[in-house]
Amino acid sequence: AQSVTQLGSHVSVSEGALVLLRCNYSSSVPPYLFWYVQYPNQGLQLLLKYTSAATLVKGINGFEAEFKKSETSFHLTKPSAHMSDAAEYFCAVRYNFGNEKLTFGTGTRLTIIP
Amino acid sequence: EPEVTQTPSHQVTQMGQEVILRCVPISNHLYFYWYRQILGQKVEFLVSFYNNEISEKSEIFDDQFSVERPDGSNFTLKIRSTKLEDSAMYFCASSPGRSGELFFGEGSRLTVL
Repeated sequence: AQSVTQLGSHVSVSEGALVLLRCNYSSSVPPYLFWYVQYPNQGLQLLLKYTSAATLVKGINGFEAEFKKSETSFHLTKPSAHMSDAAEYFCAVRYNFGNEKLTFGTGTRLTIIP
Repeated sequence: EPEVTQTPSHQVTQMGQEVILRCVPISNHLYFYWYRQILGQKVEFLVSFYNNEISEKSEIFDDQFSVERPDGSNFTLKIRSTKLEDSAMYFCASSPGRSGELFFGEGSRLTVL
């Protein structure tokens, strides 16, 4: 079954420091991969997506992610954290065959330290 | 920018009551979904809907749940007899195709007392 694993349910970084949120997927076939962000008491907003084009994907708010097939990873990064980045981040996977649902990881809560 | 809209934003109900959550997907989208998120937990898939029928459903989506697209614009989730454990945020989503991104609504928070 398709799945994603997010390492670290909570990540804290200082303002201005590098943000790295980890996501690994399980599949022998390259999937479509997504990062969604959820701010407190809000819905899910797409940050970025990988759909088999460029392996380095740039998203909104300065975030980017790199698809690494050899590592089955799709880690999310941002060079310099901002206080407004504090939120829950979800990695998700979807395939272009069979079922079309999106499967989410367990989420990583990002805290920014002033 | 087109968006998915959900109503109500918050509903409180008594255990055993029927609840209908409503969603208006983006107009040219073909795939529709319901997800739920119990407080503090991951976002879980409930059901997908395409071409006026359920295309996939999870174990959570038992006989107490049903979905409907009654008029070509609304997409509803009905819970026939709510249980305490149905308390969650319910998200509607739509997608233009099989493999693109899902666009989510702001969610409907259901509280079952």
